[in-house]
Amino acid sequence: GAVVSQHPSWVICKSGTSVKIECRSLDFQATTMFWYRQFPKQSLMLMATSNEGSKATYEQGVEKDKFLINHASLTLSTLTVTSAHPEDSSFYICSARDSQRGTGELFFGEGSRLTVL
Amino acid sequence: GQNIDQPTEMTATEGAIVQINCTYQTSGFNGLFWYQQHAGEAPTFLSYNVLDGLEEKGRFSSFLSRSKGYSYLLLKELQMKDSASYLCAVPRGSSNTGKLIFGQGTTLQVKP
Repeated sequence: GAVVSQHPSWVICKSGTSVKIECRSLDFQATTMFWYRQFPKQSLMLMATSNEGSKATYEQGVEKDKFLINHASLTLSTLTVTSAHPEDSSFYICSARDSQRGTGELFFGEGSRLTVL
Repeated sequence: GQNIDQPTEMTATEGAIVQINCTYQTSGFNGLFWYQQHAGEAPTFLSYNVLDGLEEKGRFSSFLSRSKGYSYLLLKELQMKDSASYLCAVPRGSSNTGKLIFGQGTTLQVKP
């Protein structure tokens, strides 16, 4: 089946540094990928939509300059958390749809747990 | 607007049957998803219902009633590994673009 992979699975960084998270679709092409964030004991919240070859679209309240998204190819989207602060500590999850499938199923990556000290 | 409600927690016994309900309000309907999420892991797809009725997939079944804005996930022959959070989600907006609105999730604890 379709697989979406994220890297790294977990990362610890110091406050003020930047962290890059990669999301790859392994056996299908994804012109669009989605980035979600999940705080402890809360549900997933959509942060932004990553569009291959064009700018990402951000949800209300999400700072585009802080969460930089690049969708350089049909199989890779990256999320960079710039100048990270402890409040950015969260579980970041990407997802993608296989447009060749008619099920509408959205596949999720394994998630990346960010801890900012 | 769009809104999803599900119970926060449920407890059931190994081998039993449990039903997790989800009610939703959407401006336009483009299907309803159920995902399973174990602690510290990403969600995994369970089902996608577009039409009314019950869809069975092994031990898991999902039901949809569009007129009532209601769905449930039915888990049979519960196993300890079924202890997880179960998320109900609907596409946001007027089409299934891949943007999902998730409910809070129902944390299911299966006891021996």
